[in-house]
Amino acid sequence: NFMLIQPHSVSESPGKTVTISCAGSSGSIATNYVQWYQLRPGSAPSTVIYEDDQRPSGVPDRFSGSVDSSSNSASLTISGLRAEDEADYYCQSYDTDYFWVFGGGTKLTVL
Amino acid sequence: QVQLVQSGSELKKPGASVTLSCKASGYTFTKYPINWVRQAPGQGLEWMGWISTKTGKPTFAQGLTGRFVFSFDASVNTTYLQISSLKTEDTGVYYCARGVEDYGDYVAWGQGTLVTVSS
Repeated sequence: NFMLIQPHSVSESPGKTVTISCAGSSGSIATNYVQWYQLRPGSAPSTVIYEDDQRPSGVPDRFSGSVDSSSNSASLTISGLRAEDEADYYCQSYDTDYFWVFGGGTKLTVL
Repeated sequence: QVQLVQSGSELKKPGASVTLSCKASGYTFTKYPINWVRQAPGQGLEWMGWISTKTGKPTFAQGLTGRFVFSFDASVNTTYLQISSLKTEDTGVYYCARGVEDYGDYVAWGQGTLVTVSS
C-alpha cells in the first residue's frame, strides 16, 4: 500500500526557513498530486498547498510546495517563520484507487 | 466563499448511535464530493471515505466497517455521517472536507465535530 512518511516534529526560530518532508513509500509520489494541510488547535484545518505547488488565495507566498521524483518525496517550505505558523502539517495524496492517503503529520514548533 | 459548517460536539454512551452533519455553502453542492476524515486523540488524520453528491454512491476506506453511513440532502446542501454501535475507540474529531473535481480546485474543510464515547 502507498504510504506517506513525515518527520514527527520540526522546529525553527522566527524569521527562519523550515522544510517539512513527505516521503512516498511503495509507489511514486509523482503519480498523483500532493496537498498540504495546516491544523491549528481550535481552528478548522486549511489547505496551504494543493496540486504539488499551488497556493490557495489568501495563503501567503511564504508557503511553497514541491515534489522531487528522484527522491520520491514532497516538501513544504515555510520562509520568514511566524508564531502563527506553529501548527501540525499533513501531506496528502492518493493511492491507486484514488483513496486519500495522509502522512502521519509533522508538528512545527516556532521557537 | 466556500464554507462547511459542522454540527456541535456529541457525548454518547457505547452502543448508541450518532449523526453528524456538514452544511455547505458558497458553491454548487452537487458538483463536488464530500469526504470524511477523523482524528483520534493524539493521532493523525485518517481518511474514512467519501460520498458523491451527484450519484449518492459512498466509497469507504479499507477496513471501515458497516457501522458508518454517508448520506446527504441536496435540498439543504447538507451531508451526514451516521455512526452506529459506538465504541470508545470512535472518540475523536470528525471533519468533513469538500473534495476536488477540476484542476485548480482545492479541499475545503469543516471545523470538525468532537465525538466522545464514554460510559
